[in-house]
Amino acid sequence: NAGVTQTPKFQVLKTGQSMTLQCAQDMNHEYMSWYRQDPGMGLRLIHYSVGAGITDQGEVPNGYNVSRSTTEDFPLRLLSAAPSQTSVYFCASSYSGDSAAHYGYTFGSGTRLTVV
Amino acid sequence: GNSVTQMEGPVTLSEEAFLTINCTYTATGYPSLFWYVQYPGEGLQLLLKATKADDKGSNKGFEATYRKETTSFHLEKGSVQVSDSAVYFCALYAGGTSYGKLTFGQGTILTVHP
Repeated sequence: NAGVTQTPKFQVLKTGQSMTLQCAQDMNHEYMSWYRQDPGMGLRLIHYSVGAGITDQGEVPNGYNVSRSTTEDFPLRLLSAAPSQTSVYFCASSYSGDSAAHYGYTFGSGTRLTVV
Repeated sequence: GNSVTQMEGPVTLSEEAFLTINCTYTATGYPSLFWYVQYPGEGLQLLLKATKADDKGSNKGFEATYRKETTSFHLEKGSVQVSDSAVYFCALYAGGTSYGKLTFGQGTILTVHP
């Protein structure tokens, strides 16, 4: 089925470990983004990309890196995990930045990360 | 900057009760407005949208009207079901310097009992 695929669904890390959250979409969407969801805070934008080779920071980028070498993939890297990064992470995409005005985003099912 | 404020939850209702979840926003220009729903263990799904003032978005019995004069986009449903139990997010898209970025409210947890 077409959509946004995130892996893994669950992950437990120790403080200081690094890992990569994977996100792939097969809809030829130009725009991709990463959000984190925390209780009472809604979704906060971490990083986003308007196309292959172009990324930028969102609202809460510290501790995370991204790259966009292909249209399909937009991995999120945690450099040195901290307990404050315990959260649910969502990847989202749309045809273009401004198509979000009419169609919103397509979301992945999320990665639940716990840092101990 | 842009912001979205939702009524605090959680909201607990009996089946067939009337639902209102309030949402107000602050934005420059004329944003598009959305309601997303998140069922347990799943990602967010677009529930309905409105792209200009006085538009009414509707889907699955839910409705919301874009009120520019009150900067609001309240979600309503006449008769809720147990299957409507979920987290509901109000969001806006303003474009311009916020190109591509959706701004979300904090979410409202809805629980419907039989």
